[in-house]
Amino acid sequence: EAQVTQNPRYLITVTGKKLTVTCSQNMNHEYMSWYRQDPGLGLRQIYYSMNVEVTDKGDVPEGYKVSRKEKRNFPLILESPSPNQTSLYFCASSFGGSNTEAFFGQGTRLTVV
Amino acid sequence: GNSVTQMEGPVTLSEEAFLTINCTYTATGYPSLFWYVQYPGEGLQLLLKATKADDKGSNKGFEATYRKETTSFHLEKGSVQVSDSAVYFCALDEGIYGQNFVFGPGTRLSVLP
Repeated sequence: EAQVTQNPRYLITVTGKKLTVTCSQNMNHEYMSWYRQDPGLGLRQIYYSMNVEVTDKGDVPEGYKVSRKEKRNFPLILESPSPNQTSLYFCASSFGGSNTEAFFGQGTRLTVV
Repeated sequence: GNSVTQMEGPVTLSEEAFLTINCTYTATGYPSLFWYVQYPGEGLQLLLKATKADDKGSNKGFEATYRKETTSFHLEKGSVQVSDSAVYFCALDEGIYGQNFVFGPGTRLSVLP
């Protein structure tokens, strides 16, 4: 089954404690991205990757890091989480291009206290 | 920059009622337009899309027409069902090499039996 898998689904952590949210896709997609979803703001792109070892900032990259060492995986790293990073995070993948469908993971709800 | 505006709701309808969710956009170029749907506890799923002016996207009884002259992409369904209860996101993408969706804030729809 074609899917994007994120882990964990729920995470509560304390300010400053480094964490990683994993994302994996099984569709051989070149393009992967991370979004955060906040009430009234919709989804905003954090980082994206057009292929292995190619990553770039989205609209709200501050406080986040990513890596793309393998085509299927695109982890999101918070080196020093802060309460304003409490949000619902989605990973997405696609073949890229402006008219292709993006497939989304089920989301990771992160709470930073 | 690019932006998407949509009615935030919540929208509450009775089963078999007619649905319209308005969406307007601002873009510098000629984006592709999308409607994504998010069911409770799940990631976003593509509902329909249109890639050029006057295109009509349709799926599961939902329709939307790309109107360049009014920069709109309103979502309609003639007869909603309880199972249509979800959050609906209008989005545009004009990425050339990759994909960078700009999402609206989402409209929560509740359909009552």
